[in-house]
Amino acid sequence: QSALTQPASVSGSPGQSITISCTGTNSDVGDFKYVSWYQHHPGKAPKVLIYDVSDRPSGVSNRFSGSKSGNTASLTISGLQAEDEADYYCCSYTNTWAFGTGTKVTVL
Amino acid sequence: VQVLESGGGLVQPGGSLRLSCAASGFTFSRYGMRWVRQAPGKGLEWVSSITDRGDDTYYAQSVKGRFTISRDNSKNTLYLELNSLRAEDTATYYCSKSPLSNWYFDVWGRGTLVTVSS
Repeated sequence: QSALTQPASVSGSPGQSITISCTGTNSDVGDFKYVSWYQHHPGKAPKVLIYDVSDRPSGVSNRFSGSKSGNTASLTISGLQAEDEADYYCCSYTNTWAFGTGTKVTVL
Repeated sequence: VQVLESGGGLVQPGGSLRLSCAASGFTFSRYGMRWVRQAPGKGLEWVSSITDRGDDTYYAQSVKGRFTISRDNSKNTLYLELNSLRAEDTATYYCSKSPLSNWYFDVWGRGTLVTVSS
């Protein structure tokens, strides 16, 4: 699988909402439900935020939500906070895993 | 529930290294395990996976034939043997598990750095 396409950077002010897109093809994002999202603070372990397109693991803030339309999945962060400043990756599973190119979120 | 990677270091091109991942807090033998890497300044890349009993293994095209994933369920440990290393294999290598009956990565380690350089 090829890497999924994400914007290199997204920024927002505290309290705002931002959305990160993840674009694939009919044979990955568009075809299956196994899209997940990860938050990664450099030097730390990545953390799963969303799985199966829109499900949230126990303990993950409901400020994080996921959706999908056609070949594009999206992660929305509501009520942006300083600690949300990190790198974010989407991932699609179709026999193997393909990660997105990554998006750096900056809180202004 | 945690996983802890070790074994990274500096190795010359063409050299070999074995990474380990010690698991604790869960029944290791019930879960598929994965290796994911991140080259400096780059994004995440899935490297390899192994089923719960080790019967089946899978590799990214970029490492197929050079890397070998294995596990010892009696020691709760996952391994990744890296051979014929290239500069482009320089990365932080993360160990991860997936939950039962799903394909996402629910537990990650903090990674171990492999640097391939002369």
